[in-house]
Amino acid sequence: DTAVSQTPKYLVTQMGNDKSIKCEQNLGHDTMYWYKQDSKKFLKIMFSYNNKELIINETVPNRFSPKSPDKAHLNLHINSLELGDSAVYFCASSQDIWELFFGEGSRLTVL
Amino acid sequence: AQTVTQSQPEMSVQEAETVTLSCTYDTSESDYYLFWYKQPPSRQMILVIRQEAYKQQNATENRFSVNFQKAAKSFSLKISDSQLGDAAMYFCAYRGNRDDKIIFGKGTRLHILP
Repeated sequence: DTAVSQTPKYLVTQMGNDKSIKCEQNLGHDTMYWYKQDSKKFLKIMFSYNNKELIINETVPNRFSPKSPDKAHLNLHINSLELGDSAVYFCASSQDIWELFFGEGSRLTVL
Repeated sequence: AQTVTQSQPEMSVQEAETVTLSCTYDTSESDYYLFWYKQPPSRQMILVIRQEAYKQQNATENRFSVNFQKAAKSFSLKISDSQLGDAAMYFCAYRGNRDDKIIFGKGTRLHILP
């Protein structure tokens, strides 16, 4: 069973569209994250939720809206997509300070 | 703000040889945690090794070991007996003791030459 799963793994869409990426973890972790990896492989945190509450919001445009319906799920909705949003988005979870468990990433391409 | 710097964008090593990847970081905290993550072509990030700043002994995981120099704020990764499967992006990362987020460096792409 996949510990942290993201869907979809690939997403190609036009500028201006709205899209969502879903993430689920079956590890029982309290904390979940969204990271963005750009074309140069730079990995930057976007959001973190602890037990459904937002605890980190790293100056991300408000076109990005995370939602955590329960502690096992953290979805990312993006409005009015722009070319610069093209990236790989990684979901991750952790229970303690020791390790992040990552999903396989969702590659978003905005045309 | 904390920063993590990896000064080597790419490195190559011959199979079975040893390679060291560099990482420096900047922090005003005294208690923190350092990590090396590996990202193979499959994209999924995997934890390689981790170190608590209050421990002087360098962490070791099989062929992977670190050289942690707290005063110099340096945290290098040594890979011994390099194998083809070690080819990947390697990210150095930092987490403060009171932080919920892990900050990553820009990564080093490691090539293994057969």
